[in-house]
Amino acid sequence: AQKITQTQPGMFVQEKEAVTLDCTYDTSDQSYGLFWYKQPSSGEMIFLIYQGSYDEQNATEGRYSLNFQKARKSANLVISASQLGDSAMYFCAMREGRSASRNQGGKLIFGQGTELSVKP
Amino acid sequence: KAGVTQTPRYLIKTRGQQVTLSCSPISGHRSVSWYQQTPGQGLQFLFEYFSETQRNKGNFPGRFSGRQFSNSRSEMNVSTLELGDSALYLCASSFGEMNTIYFGEGSWLTVV
Repeated sequence: AQKITQTQPGMFVQEKEAVTLDCTYDTSDQSYGLFWYKQPSSGEMIFLIYQGSYDEQNATEGRYSLNFQKARKSANLVISASQLGDSAMYFCAMREGRSASRNQGGKLIFGQGTELSVKP
Repeated sequence: KAGVTQTPRYLIKTRGQQVTLSCSPISGHRSVSWYQQTPGQGLQFLFEYFSETQRNKGNFPGRFSGRQFSNSRSEMNVSTLELGDSALYLCASSFGEMNTIYFGEGSWLTVV
C-alpha cells in the first residue's frame, strides 16, 4: 500500500542552524512525485519543494533542499540557516503516477507531519 | 498572480445542517482537489475534479460531494453534518497531472 512515514513528531533547532526532516515512502510505482509543504498555525499549506521520481538531481529551492535517495525510498527535507519564521508543521506528501486502475492527478498521500520549533 | 482562494475561512454549523465550501483555483489551473484535515486522521483526500469531471475520489461517505464549474472554480458540500466533520478543509489546484500542487488557506469548519 502507498504510504508516507514521518518518524519525527517534533523537532527543535537553534536559529541559524541547519535541520533535516525525515520522510520515507512506500510505493510500487516507477513514476511518482514527492512534495514538502509547510503549515503554520493559520492552516495554509505552503508549497516548499518538489522532486520527481525520475529527477536525477536533488531539488533545491532557496534554503530548502530535498535529499532524495531512491533506493532507500527516502526524501528528507533539509532547511539551512533556520529562521524563527520556520517554526511550523512540515508535511511530506507523494503523488503517484497513473496506473490501469488509477487516474493520475491531484491526489496526494500525506505523512503525519513533523512540528519544527526554531529557538532563538 | 493570485493563489488558491477558499471561502469562507471560518464557519460554525449545527449538527444536521449542510455546508458548502468554495474554492477558486489559481488562474489557468484545471485540476482542483479537496482534503480534510483533523488531529486524529491527519490529511485525507476527499476528491479531485478536472475539467468539470470527478477524476479521483477518496474514502468518504456520500454526504460529501463536490463539483467543478466551467471556470474551474469548485465547491464541496457536506450534508447532514456530524460532530466528526469538524475539520480544516483544504483545496488545492494544479495546472495538470505533472505540475506542482498549490493549496489555499483552508476553511475551518466547526460542527456543534
